[in-house]
Amino acid sequence: GENVEQHPSTLSVQEGDSAVIKCTYSDSASNYFPWYKQELGKRPQLIIDIRSNVGEKKDQRIAVTLNKTAKHFSLHITETQPEDSAVYFCAAPFTGANSKLTFGKGITLSVRP
Amino acid sequence: DGGITQSPKYLFRKEGQNVTLSCEQNLNHDAMYWYRQDPGQGLRLIYYSQIVNDFQKGDIAEGYSVSREKKESFPLTVTSAQKNPTAFYLCASSIWGWSSGDLSYTQYFGPGTRLTVL
Repeated sequence: GENVEQHPSTLSVQEGDSAVIKCTYSDSASNYFPWYKQELGKRPQLIIDIRSNVGEKKDQRIAVTLNKTAKHFSLHITETQPEDSAVYFCAAPFTGANSKLTFGKGITLSVRP
Repeated sequence: DGGITQSPKYLFRKEGQNVTLSCEQNLNHDAMYWYRQDPGQGLRLIYYSQIVNDFQKGDIAEGYSVSREKKESFPLTVTSAQKNPTAFYLCASSIWGWSSGDLSYTQYFGPGTRLTVL
């Protein structure tokens, strides 16, 4: 099956700085890579995703980049704000017979005001 | 994700009791999933269902059971065989098939049920 890893487990940045969160995956056939944001006590919500036929996708202050050769993808948040503080999960599909998402363990991002 | 609901929001269980968590969606999604979330453990898949009357075990199915009698509903029963059931339980749903020319994996989550064993 798919193995998805996120490092580090926590990240702290100063408000206004950029944050980069990296995720690695193991299934070279994976073709879809979402990022979810979960605020404390709430449900995970999709914030951006990318398919394997593109290398980068942007949506305002957030962007995702994909390196298929190295099998990793990264979430980039620019001009961080306190409301960006949350747990961020990456995921990748296992492209075997039962396609489903495998989630990383999450990274806790803290934005210091 | 506003079309997927879970109840109750908080649930307390005595040891040895079975409890059932509700998950309903009106998004017309074929697939539904149950995850367990513990601090520092991310989202671990318990069971999932791609179609009515069919479901598959996930990574941590022991001590849990599910049913999928209707497309809209996917209840999860936490049995007394689950030794450490205290956790946050999340239900999700997705299309199972093709969306805009690509296989769609995007999952939408419910608000969750926090189960505590007393």
